[in-house]
Amino acid sequence: QQQVKQSPQSLIVQKGGISIINCAYENTAFDYFPWYQQFPGKGPALLIAIRPDVSEKKEGRFTISFNKSAKQFSLHIMDSQPGDSATYFCATNTGTASKLTFGTGTRLQVTL
Amino acid sequence: NAGVMQNPRHLVRRRGQEARLRCSPMKGHSHVYWYRQLPEEGLKFMVYLQKENIIDESGMPKERFSAEFPKEGPSILRIQQVVRGDSAAYFCASSPFGGLNYGYTFGSGTRLTVV
Repeated sequence: QQQVKQSPQSLIVQKGGISIINCAYENTAFDYFPWYQQFPGKGPALLIAIRPDVSEKKEGRFTISFNKSAKQFSLHIMDSQPGDSATYFCATNTGTASKLTFGTGTRLQVTL
Repeated sequence: NAGVMQNPRHLVRRRGQEARLRCSPMKGHSHVYWYRQLPEEGLKFMVYLQKENIIDESGMPKERFSAEFPKEGPSILRIQQVVRGDSAAYFCASSPFGGLNYGYTFGSGTRLTVV
């Protein structure tokens, strides 16, 4: 049972463009929605996270947009840079306080 | 302040051998989580431990897998009689408290290859 669906699987964006990655979840009881960034050979690193009491959160070039009624949230990377090339995972706490369920990941490539 | 330390970084085991993966949490963190990542997939929760206690092992396979976090020393994930399907990256994360308000910090993982 896939509780978090992430798309697209891969994404190629030109330098300076906007990267958009989407996630959909199933249960309105989920209340924590982080995005993780993972470089090859490394562990995931928390990028930005949102709670459902706000519809948007921005940190530098990274923005989470949250649509509670549609049960969707997305990551926007503004002014994408080659250094942003990595795999991005959305996640949510599927009903428990400490356990995360991850999406299947989006491999982002930012070209020059 | 060192991050979450996992060793070994790479581990090769023959089918039927035991694999032992170690995780030292960040200083001051008493909550440890283990996740498994299969190739081209997201991370899957395995187990959540506090010192000397298993809090949630709902993601652990029923057989061959065990985890501990002793009062002294690192957390250990043990896989007995490994099979090819156990080949994956195993990540450990730690947090200062339970719950997600403080986020997780992940280690760089142990990549297990079963031959």
